[in-house]
Amino acid sequence: EAGVTQSPRYAVLQEGQAVSFWCDPISGHDTLYWYQQPRDQGPQLLVYFRDEAVIDNSQLPSDRFSAVRPKGTNSTLKIQSAKQGDTATYLCASSFTNSGNTLYFGEGSRLIVV
Amino acid sequence: GDSVTQTEGLVTLTEGLPVMLNCTYQTIYSNPFLFWYVQHLNESPRLLLKSFTDNKRTEHQGFHATLHKSSSSFHLQKSSAQLSDSALYYCALSDPQGGRALIFGTGTTVSVSP
Repeated sequence: EAGVTQSPRYAVLQEGQAVSFWCDPISGHDTLYWYQQPRDQGPQLLVYFRDEAVIDNSQLPSDRFSAVRPKGTNSTLKIQSAKQGDTATYLCASSFTNSGNTLYFGEGSRLIVV
Repeated sequence: GDSVTQTEGLVTLTEGLPVMLNCTYQTIYSNPFLFWYVQHLNESPRLLLKSFTDNKRTEHQGFHATLHKSSSSFHLQKSSAQLSDSALYYCALSDPQGGRALIFGTGTTVSVSP
């Protein structure tokens, strides 16, 4: 069974530039999460979906960050006008509801904003 | 709100010695899921073990933890540390239905030396 796939693996931007991260969850997993992990910190939830619906985006900086999962499968996280403080690894994870909420993480997309 | 506390930021020990990582939590749920995730350098977090049963020992890959609801704790232990155990360890909490995103602690770095 394929795991969670993310791309790109790395991105280096100048402040003000935009970037999109893509995530393909494990087949059959209805829930998809985006976490931000700054260096030497734990994962911090940005947003999560159940199927195509946003369940919680309260921690997503809405002025510059957006996330979609239009068909309830793949998802895209977009950062517009990136700032140095956005430097982090962006982790996508998926799970199947009622399975004990075990999350399976992708390899992450590492973003550096200079 | 719900929270997870990991008191040690860094644990250093010699190979062969026992290791214990502390995890306590606060939650409104009477039957939460508790998890330990491990993250090796340049890798994503992966599930180490999980539990929702009070006072039952859960084991995996030489590690074990017991959920104690009376003390809201889920400490991780291993009787004999190996060099390959050097990693970041995160304790995490979820609601019993698995409908909410995991809440992670700040993490404990374990460094095992020869």
